Amino acid sequence: GDSVTQTEGQVTVSESKSLIINCTYSATSIGYPNLFWYVRYPGEGLQLLLKVITAGQKGSSRGFEATYNKEATSFHLQKASVQESDSAVYYCALGPNSAGNKLTFGIGTRVLVRP
Amino acid sequence: EAAVTQSPRNKVTVTGGNVTLSCRQTNSHNYMYWYRQDTGHGLRLIHYSYGAGNLQIGDVPDGYKATRTTQEDFFLLLELASPSQTSLYFCASSEPGQGARAPLFGEGTRLSVL
Repeated sequence: GDSVTQTEGQVTVSESKSLIINCTYSATSIGYPNLFWYVRYPGEGLQLLLKVITAGQKGSSRGFEATYNKEATSFHLQKASVQESDSAVYYCALGPNSAGNKLTFGIGTRVLVRP
Repeated sequence: EAAVTQSPRNKVTVTGGNVTLSCRQTNSHNYMYWYRQDTGHGLRLIHYSYGAGNLQIGDVPDGYKATRTTQEDFFLLLELASPSQTSLYFCASSEPGQGARAPLFGEGTRLSVL
């Protein structure tokens, strides 16, 4: 089946430092998936951070970037300079490029940004 | 504004209890989903629906029923709740079709089964 593997547990980073959360995927049933990053801030629901549907393309939002690397089956999330407000749980997900949007999620990575 | 509203936000019940989680979307979306989120597992799909009266089984359906009464409303039912169903539940809605129609999620319902 399809699966997503991302950086496990908690990542602690100091404000203004760079952040990378690794995400790799296996899309055996889909073949050519759409890729997403969702974020859940403390006390809030899950919200879309960015999405990319074409291999080789890069998505960006709120200073975060992720590139769809089909060869490496990766979709790593990066930010050059984090802020305390970026403290949240980040989820990598994949979905089909067809009717129906059932997503397969990674386990989530908790990011704690220290002031 | 597009929205998915879940209720209640928090629920505590006892083993064997009967629980209904509600979800309403005002996005005119055809698809709705129920996920559970547990530490170490990410979000896992319980049930989903293509429209009113339709129900599809997800990846972790055991112990859950669902019903889609209207296009807007999707309910998750736990008729004999067990401690293993203690979790954070998310509802989502989306529009079908080609391209990355990213589902919109609600704020979640935290359920504790004692």
